[in-house]
Amino acid sequence: SSELTQDPAVSVALGQTVRITCQGDSLGSYFANWYQQKPGQAPVLVIYGKNNRPSGIPDRFSGSRSGNTASLTITGAQAEDEADYYCNSPDSSGLHYVFGPGTKVSVL
Amino acid sequence: QVQLVESGGGVVQPGRSLRLSCTASGFTFSNYVMHWVRQAPGKGLEWVALISYDGSNKYYADSVKGRFTISRDNSKNTLYLQMNSLRPEDTAVYYCANKWEFDYWGQGTLVTVSS
Repeated sequence: SSELTQDPAVSVALGQTVRITCQGDSLGSYFANWYQQKPGQAPVLVIYGKNNRPSGIPDRFSGSRSGNTASLTITGAQAEDEADYYCNSPDSSGLHYVFGPGTKVSVL
Repeated sequence: QVQLVESGGGVVQPGRSLRLSCTASGFTFSNYVMHWVRQAPGKGLEWVALISYDGSNKYYADSVKGRFTISRDNSKNTLYLQMNSLRPEDTAVYYCANKWEFDYWGQGTLVTVSS
């Protein structure tokens, strides 16, 4: 299967840690990338590859993989982290891409 | 700084065509793959197409294959998406993004397919 699955929504208390997961067969071969999207804005890359943060992304964001599951962890969530988070990866062919359905993160 | 600016969106009738453009600056455009990604109103992200750095290889989502064509003009730092035989389900904000990992995204251009 070339699909990626994510939990629709998670909530986290301010300053606490939240893990967002992404499952799919392709993740056994490829690392997931993670994107943050706030309402009315374009997505922003927050994690790519094994666990790489683009310039300007806070170090409270980290990525990991175990088997066919990729995870994005926000350690010490801030109010500004409230957003939709999408994972993506190449599909099994390596030549097409697939996005997960997104996880809405609420910071309480 | 990296900038990607999409243009060409609008309202179009089903079955008609539209061409989107994405003008890039702040990086060496000709060195990198480019993507088109779309997002229907209130929905998630959908990968649409990918083009290699030199335009020699192109890949499409099944939902648009045979109707959409991705291309680029490296002399103009511009990416294109030719959309033919448009359907109501193609209504979305269309984004361009650079590099394999979708490093930077434009602000998007809205395409509405409606009679």
